Amino acid sequence: DGGITQSPKYLFRKEGQNVTLSCEQNLNHDAMYWYRQDPGQGLRLIYYSQIVNDFQKGDIAEGYSVSREKKESFPLTVTSAQKNPTAFYLCASSIQGATSYTFGSGTRLTVV
Amino acid sequence: SQQGEEDPQALSIQEGENATMNCSYKTSINNLQWYRQNSGRGLVHLILIRSNEREKHSGRLRVTLDTSKKSSSLLITASRAADTASYFCAPTQAGTALIFGKGTTLSVSS
Repeated sequence: DGGITQSPKYLFRKEGQNVTLSCEQNLNHDAMYWYRQDPGQGLRLIYYSQIVNDFQKGDIAEGYSVSREKKESFPLTVTSAQKNPTAFYLCASSIQGATSYTFGSGTRLTVV
Repeated sequence: SQQGEEDPQALSIQEGENATMNCSYKTSINNLQWYRQNSGRGLVHLILIRSNEREKHSGRLRVTLDTSKKSSSLLITASRAADTASYFCAPTQAGTALIFGKGTTLSVSS
C-alpha cells in the first residue's frame, strides 16, 4: 500500500544533541513538508521541498536542517541550536500544485 | 502561503446533532481544503473545494465556499462519537505550502 512513514514514533533526546527524524513516502509525490505542532496549537511549517535537491525554509526553520537527496525521503535534523525542540513533528507529501496532502502519523520528540 | 482562521475554537455536541465550523481567509485562493486530526495522529484530508465551486458534499460532510466573503464552512451531519477530532481548514494557492491555523476541536458525546 502507498503511504508515508515517519519513524520513530517517540524519540527522546538529551539537551545539546542533534537528532534526525525520518520521513519516507512511496506515493511518487514530488513535494514533501515538515510541520511542528505544539499542544493546543496549529501546525507550523518548518521546511518544504518541491523537487529533489531543492528545499525552502518555512516560518520556523531556525534550529532545523533538511536534505532531499531522493524523491522518497525527506529527513529532518533537529539541531542543538533549536531552543525548544519538544513537540510533535508531522511530515506530509503531495503532488505538485494546489493539491491535497498525505500526512504521516508523526514523531513525538521529547528533550530530557 | 496564507493561514485559515477556524471558528469556533471548540465545539461540544451530542451524538446525532449537526456540527458546523467556519473558516476565514484573507487573499484569493485556488481551492480550500479541510482536514481532520485525531488526537496524537497525523492529519487526514477530508474534502477539497475549488474556487469556482460553491458547495460540495462527501458522505455526511457538506462544505460551502463564499469567495466574495473569503469564508468557508464545514457541516458534519448526524455526528458520531468517532467524529471527535480537531478540524483544520487550508486555503490553498498553487506553488505555496499549506499553512494551518489552530483548528476547531469538536467533541461529540454519546
